[in-house]
Amino acid sequence: DTAVSQTPKYLVTQMGNDKSIKCEQNLGHDTMYWYKQDSKKFLKIMFSYNNKELIINETVPNRFSPKSPDKAHLNLHINSLELGDSAVYFCASSQMIRREQFFGPGTRLTVL
Amino acid sequence: GDSVTQMEGPVTLSEEAFLTINCTYTATGYPSLFWYVQYPGEGLQLLLKATKADDKGSNKGFEATYRKETTSFHLEKGSVQVSDSAVYFCALSDRDTDKLIFGTGTRLQVFP
Repeated sequence: DTAVSQTPKYLVTQMGNDKSIKCEQNLGHDTMYWYKQDSKKFLKIMFSYNNKELIINETVPNRFSPKSPDKAHLNLHINSLELGDSAVYFCASSQMIRREQFFGPGTRLTVL
Repeated sequence: GDSVTQMEGPVTLSEEAFLTINCTYTATGYPSLFWYVQYPGEGLQLLLKATKADDKGSNKGFEATYRKETTSFHLEKGSVQVSDSAVYFCALSDRDTDKLIFGTGTRLQVFP
C-alpha cells in the first residue's frame, strides 16, 4: 500500500491556467508538507500543515494555495501558472513536528 | 539561517569501491540530521538519520555519524553497488521551525 500518494504524476499545462495537485497519506500522520524541486534538483519547503492548521508558509507567491480538508489530505492549488512554476512538487508527511518525513512520488509540472 | 552544504557531484565509482559524500551544516540549536536518497524517476526515501551528537545512523550498508565539533554528517559505504546509483540529499530538521533544509544533492554513478 502506498504511504504517501500524489495525483497526478505528470501535469502539462499552459501559462495562465489554474491547476491542483492532490496528496493523501495513509500513515495516520498529523503533519503534511509541500516541497518544490527545481531543475537542478534543489529542494525547498513551501508549506506545512499540522492537524489541518498552516504552520509554515515559506514566502511562496499567493498564487499557491494549500488546502487541508482533513489530516490525511493536503492539496496544492496554483492560480495563473507561470513558466517558472515548472518543477517537481513533492508532498510529505510526518507524525508530529520534527519527526522524520515520508515523501510521495512527486508530481512533475510543466508549464508551456 | 540554517543551511546544509554537500559536495558537488557527480561522484563516479566502480562497483565495490568505497564511498564518501561530504555534508556539513550550519544551524543554531541542535538539529536532527538526515540522508535521503532519490532513485531515478522516484520520490525521496529516508536512508538514515541521527538526532544528537555522536549518534551514528546506518541502513543498507550506509553510515553517517553526527559530528557536532566539525558540524558534519558525512555519508559512507564500504562497497557500493550499481543499484546505489541515485541522488543523495543531506538534510537537517531545525528543532524550532520544523523545516527540512536540504543540501543541493550529490549524484552517485556506480559502474560495473
